[in-house]
Amino acid sequence: AQSVTQPDIHITVSEGASLELRCNYSYGATPYLFWYVQSPGQGLQLLLKYFSGDTLVQGIKGFEAEFKRSQSSFNLRKPSVHWSDAAEYFCAVGYTGGFKTIFGAGTRLFVKA
Amino acid sequence: DTAVSQTPKYLVTQMGNDKSIKCEQNLGHDTMYWYKQDSKKFLKIMFSYNNKELIINETVPNRFSPKSPDKAHLNLHINSLELGDSAVYFCASSVRTAGEQYFGPGTRLTVT
Repeated sequence: AQSVTQPDIHITVSEGASLELRCNYSYGATPYLFWYVQSPGQGLQLLLKYFSGDTLVQGIKGFEAEFKRSQSSFNLRKPSVHWSDAAEYFCAVGYTGGFKTIFGAGTRLFVKA
Repeated sequence: DTAVSQTPKYLVTQMGNDKSIKCEQNLGHDTMYWYKQDSKKFLKIMFSYNNKELIINETVPNRFSPKSPDKAHLNLHINSLELGDSAVYFCASSVRTAGEQYFGPGTRLTVT
């Protein structure tokens, strides 16, 4: 069955430290891959996307993600976290054989001073 | 020039009532969605329309009825509201199915 797993329910990092949020998916072919961010009381905003080509993709707000086909992963990274990055992060997978996009359960990021 | 807008932002109502949430997108997208986000932030697809045709209808009680009068609008009507319907409902749109989605600000529904 198609699924998206974000193993970390929440992560706490210090301001200025690096960040990696994990995402794994199950699908037979190469899906479309996305990361979204949701600030409190807001809708989801697209951070970055992968459709094909270069497996390292750059997004907004200094985020990047790397698609690793062998590991079925699409981890999100940022070299230096700012306090304003505290939010909920969702990995999502668009299944090209159908119409559906499935979202992971989300990872809540806390940033400490 | 909001891309995806929803009204109302907040909705407080009593059990048994009927309510509607409206969504409009000005992005020219062909596909629109309704999601339900529960208190644990889990995001669940409810419905999806492509060019005004229903293409996704997840296991949702038939008290929920979407309507798409045109490609830019997707409304959600809920009959006989129940306590368990309390959640945040998001509308979204995309250029193509399974593509990147643009979300509205959400409608927080509270059923008392």
